[in-house]
Amino acid sequence: GNSVTQMEGPVTLSEEAFLTINCTYTATGYPSLFWYVQYPGEGLQLLLKATKADDKGSNKGFEATYRKETTSFHLEKGSVQVSDSAVYFCALFDTGNQFYFGTGTSLTVIP
Amino acid sequence: ETGVTQSPTHLIKTRGQQVTLRCSSQSGHNTVSWYQQALGQGPQFIFQYYREEENGRGNFPPRFSGLQFPNYSSELNVNALELDDSALYLCASSSPTGPTYEQYFGPGTRLTVT
Repeated sequence: GNSVTQMEGPVTLSEEAFLTINCTYTATGYPSLFWYVQYPGEGLQLLLKATKADDKGSNKGFEATYRKETTSFHLEKGSVQVSDSAVYFCALFDTGNQFYFGTGTSLTVIP
Repeated sequence: ETGVTQSPTHLIKTRGQQVTLRCSSQSGHNTVSWYQQALGQGPQFIFQYYREEENGRGNFPPRFSGLQFPNYSSELNVNALELDDSALYLCASSSPTGPTYEQYFGPGTRLTVT
């Protein structure tokens, strides 16, 4: 079946540090891959996506590349800000019109 | 353009009771999906409604049921509540003209079962 495994948190970084949150997936077929962000008290917001192998999704300085050979979609940002503090979810969307989410990684950025 | 809204924001129920949660989809969106997010976990897909019909269901028992209305708003009903049903329930809508994965999430309803 389909599943997503992401790096456990919480992660605490200093402002301007480099961020990597690992995500690997198991899927039949060729899913689309996503990173969502959830700020306290809010719903999920789409951060970036990649719909086929080797695609790179990017938004607000965050990037992730769809690696079919390693079944991975790691999230990176070169210089985090305090405002990036949130919970990040990796997810896949399969041909059955269903999302599968990872358990989330909490990020705290300190000034 | 109004986003996805959900009501109520918070709810406390007793084990064995029934609950109804409501979702208004984003304007023009005819597909609504419901997710359960337990504390410290990622959202899990409950079901999806498209044009008032259930259009896919996750691994949830029949006591989780739903409705979609002609204006595309939706309800999630849970019967015989159990303590493990305590969670954040998220609703997401998507447009008929965009890809199915392009879902816009509401802020959620926090359900506590005691």
